Amino acid sequence: EDKVVQSPLSLVVHEGDTVTLNCSYEVTNFRSLLWYKQEKKAPTFLFMLTSSGIEKKSGRLSSILDKKELFSILNITATQTGDSAVYLCAVGRGSSNTGKLIFGQGTTLQVKP
Amino acid sequence: NAGVTQTPKFQVLKTGQSMTLQCAQDMNHEYMSWYRQDPGMGLRLIHYSVGAGITDQGEVPNGYNVSRSTTEDFPLRLLSAAPSQTSVYFCASRPSGANVLTFGAGSRLTVL
Repeated sequence: EDKVVQSPLSLVVHEGDTVTLNCSYEVTNFRSLLWYKQEKKAPTFLFMLTSSGIEKKSGRLSSILDKKELFSILNITATQTGDSAVYLCAVGRGSSNTGKLIFGQGTTLQVKP
Repeated sequence: NAGVTQTPKFQVLKTGQSMTLQCAQDMNHEYMSWYRQDPGMGLRLIHYSVGAGITDQGEVPNGYNVSRSTTEDFPLRLLSAAPSQTSVYFCASRPSGANVLTFGAGSRLTVL
């Protein structure tokens, strides 16, 4: 059975801290791994990773994929209160036309002033 | 460009009632899907469609029906609501061949 597992499930840090969120997966016909940020409403897209070892970066956020060990990490440096959200990891499987996204449980990050 | 629009945003039902959650997208996306989000369980796929006239089941389809008569619309029907269907529902779409889903704002459903 396909499975996406995120850890930790929740995290409380102070502004300025660096955090690392983990996502491991066991999915047949892997196509891609995506990270989303969810603040109260709809998830918004952060990164898509398809190749091992290539870091994707956007400002203070970065992510990398290891297809051999079947995991990805999302790093946030110099955290701010605006980073407080649920971070979702999703793995795309199957063909690009009909394939599905399988989500992990999410990591709830709270950044305190 | 409105993206993915879901209605209603909030709904309270009694057990056994029926209702339809509406989803419309104006991006000409072939692929549309419905997810439900429950605490501690992430997003779980209910039904999806790869184009008009084609639908298929996801992980948790029981108790839900869908149809896709047009590219733009993908309604989700609850024929006889149960308290276990209390959840937040998200509609999402993407172009065929793409990976990234665009989500609607969500519909919060409570079944008493």
